[in-house]
Amino acid sequence: AQSVTQLDSQVPVFEEAPVELRCNYSSSVSVYLFWYVQYPNQGLQLLLKYLSGSTLVKGINGFEAEFNKSQTSFHLRKPSVHISDTAEYFCAVKGAGSYQLTFGKGTKLSVIP
Amino acid sequence: NAGVTQTPKFQVLKTGQSMTLQCAQDMNHNSMYWYRQDPGMGLRLIYYSASEGTTDKGEVPNGYNVSRLNKREFSLRLESAAPSQTSVYFCASRGQDRGQETQYFGPGTRLLVL
Repeated sequence: AQSVTQLDSQVPVFEEAPVELRCNYSSSVSVYLFWYVQYPNQGLQLLLKYLSGSTLVKGINGFEAEFNKSQTSFHLRKPSVHISDTAEYFCAVKGAGSYQLTFGKGTKLSVIP
Repeated sequence: NAGVTQTPKFQVLKTGQSMTLQCAQDMNHNSMYWYRQDPGMGLRLIYYSASEGTTDKGEVPNGYNVSRLNKREFSLRLESAAPSQTSVYFCASRGQDRGQETQYFGPGTRLLVL
């Protein structure tokens, strides 16, 4: 079984400042990792994913994440946030051979003008 | 290509009423999923269907039933709704995106049980 911990439930940040949203996972098998974004009253949209290969993954809207196997982390970063980045962000993990995605509880990013 | 569609978008039920949430995908994906989203809980898997003709329980299946009607459609039924089932329900399908496995979500159904 897999589990995901998003360490911060809410992250306020000023516009144009950098941001890091933290995600740690646990699994007894190799994993695939995902970040999804949910804008208010909308469904989930895939930001980026790590399946294999380079540990630095670039996604849409200027976001990137780094897979760190030794620290079992997959933190999401953006060097300069915009007001439009205000949303809830979900980290998710899928074990190799599993059909199920396990989600973290989400981090609400609030960008302050 | 509409992706994953869900109906209805909103629904209000009284305790004990039944209803079916509909989901369809036009991407020819084998796997489909139903999640519920509650504040501070993230998304929790209710049921999934790895392929047409098969369904399996997820993390929170109690009070729900599902039907994989065909490859496109995967419905979620509440036989006797309870206030604890007030939630936002998301359907998803999983398939290949440029050779990589990706899960796609519908826009959600907001359900209030009084």
